[in-house]
Formats: sequence, structure tokens, C-alpha cells
Amino acid sequence: QVQLVQSGAEVKKPGSSVKVSCKASGGTFSNYAISWVRQAPRQGLEWMGGIVPIFGTPIYAQKFQGRVTITADKSTSTAYMELSSLRSEDTAVFYCATVHNWGQGTLVTVSS
Amino acid sequence: DIQMTQSPSTLSASVGDRVTITCRASQTMSSWVAWYQQKPGKAPNLLIYKASTLETGVPSRFSGSASGTEFTLTISSLQPDDFATYYCQQYTSYSGGTFGQGTKVEIK
Repeated sequence: QVQLVQSGAEVKKPGSSVKVSCKASGGTFSNYAISWVRQAPRQGLEWMGGIVPIFGTPIYAQKFQGRVTITADKSTSTAYMELSSLRSEDTAVFYCATVHNWGQGTLVTVSS
Repeated sequence: DIQMTQSPSTLSASVGDRVTITCRASQTMSSWVAWYQQKPGKAPNLLIYKASTLETGVPSRFSGSASGTEFTLTISSLQPDDFATYYCQQYTSYSGGTFGQGTKVEIK
């Protein structure tokens, strides 16, 4: 099964953007449906969107449409999630995941 | 987007109890359901996928079932390690999808 390793914690200003990476190893990266999930402090899991690298076309949750961009680089087995127009409510842990495997999470703090 | 309504939001139970958590989809789905366990500060851990298939290494006291738009996670005999928060998620082979709101299982 695939292992997912995410980039490190980020601190961002309101209005800026953040790009989180998710490097896969141990599986056939191109065939996996990779999701991005947000979890605000003491809150539940929110599915933001996902991509199957072999298809290349991402699918976004309505709530995040227009503000999130999900991409995948098959040459490096890495998926990316970029969230723009950050606000304090975006302070959260962001996970990349397949159904069976999850990354360790990336804490993004939005603060002026 | 399909909505997943999960209940209860909190559940107080004792070791040895049988516990049932339910998710109801907002519409008939041509997708599957997964169940996850999450402990504080950790990533979620898959318990059940395709509504009723037990993930490798997960104890057999966990089981999942489906009836129409209603999906159920059952813990047959609650163990001390099972006190955690549980989430359902609908998904397909090409995309993840909506999570339920979560159920926190607490010690009674």
C-alpha cells in the first residue's frame, strides 16, 4: 500500500495562499484517488477535493470551489493542494489521503 | 454534493457494551462508505470500506452494514482502546467525498 508524506507546518498571513505537498511511495501513485481533507481545531473532517493522477482532472467540494487547486505530478509521485484567500478560519490540519492510507497532516496557521 | 448525516454526535458507553453508529446519505448513492477511527492528535485510521469490508488488521469486533441510504458501524464489545471519534465517508473509485459529522465515543 502507498505511504504518504506531507510537507511541514506553515504560518501564513490572511489573504495569502498556501501550497501543501504529499509525496507517495510504495504503490502505483497514478492509479490512486488522492483526497485532501481539512480539520479545524476540535472540529470534524471536511473533504476538500481530490484527484486521480492518471486522469488528471480534479474534483472539488462545492464549499471550496474557486479557492482550492489540487494537482498531481506523476514524475515525482507528488500531489499538491493550494488554498488561496486564506482567512483565520482556515487554520487547520490538512491531510492528504487515499481511503486506506493517510498522510501525517500539515498544520497551517493563518494569523496576522 | 451528497450529505452524510451521522448520529449520535456523542455516545457514552461502558467497556463490553455493544455500540452502533449510523450515517444516512441525503440521496441514493452509487458510491461506497468507509468508516474511520480518530484519536486526538492523530490521522484517521480506516476500519471498514465498501460499507462492510473489514480493513486488514482491524479487530473483528468492528463491523459495517448497509440498508438503502443508511449505513451502520457496530462495535460488538467496546474495549478501552475504542474510546475515540468515528467518522463515515462516502466515496467512489475515482474520488473521496463527504464525511459525516463524527461520533465521539466516551466512557460512561
